Amino acid sequence: SYVLTQPPSVSVAPGKTARITCGGNNIGSKSVHWYQQKPGQAPVLVIYYDSDRPSGIPERFSGSNSGNTATLTISRVEAGDEADYYCQVWDSSSDHPNYVFGTGTKVTVL
Amino acid sequence: EVQLVESGGGLVQPGGSLRLSCAASGFTFSSYWMHWVRQAPGKGLVWVSRINSDGSSTSYADSVKGRFTISRDNAKNTLYLQMNSLRAEDTAVYYCARAEYGGGPYFDYWGQGTLVTVSS
Repeated sequence: SYVLTQPPSVSVAPGKTARITCGGNNIGSKSVHWYQQKPGQAPVLVIYYDSDRPSGIPERFSGSNSGNTATLTISRVEAGDEADYYCQVWDSSSDHPNYVFGTGTKVTVL
Repeated sequence: EVQLVESGGGLVQPGGSLRLSCAASGFTFSSYWMHWVRQAPGKGLVWVSRINSDGSSTSYADSVKGRFTISRDNAKNTLYLQMNSLRAEDTAVYYCARAEYGGGPYFDYWGQGTLVTVSS
């Protein structure tokens, strides 16, 4: 089955840039989506189709995807960005298509 | 405003059953494929099941296949998850989510979740 690997944690100072990676075999050939989840809350979509932002999501959130790594970038980090972030793809490569989530990354704002 | 509201969670003994519901509003429910995603305490998100817009096609994660059944009532704008033969490892918050399909499906709206605890 397809595996998406994320770093367990990323720490960043306010105002700086956080980069969260999502590694997968030839992930650049897939559409990658990103979710933000704050403690006790449901996930919220922040990036879809690698780099598109839903309405209401700040421009500080951006995404890219190439080769074996997709990246979520949060610019000018704010305290309110502290959350868990998950990448997600649809893997149709096997005989049992699956909706795969990454292992999750906890972003801590110092 | 799109709203998804889950209900039906609770404490159940191993081997027991539970039915979750997800009431949808603010969009044309019958036009969307719907999913269940779960999250064990302190763990990540795991896809559980999906159903197409008219209910004629379903799919399940291997971990729940044969034990869980997803269904929907488009007249009532409600999604269901019937969970049988529950195990301790099914303990999780269960979210219903609306999916957008195009270049690759993603979940654009989520409910607040309902907690299922399987324990004796």
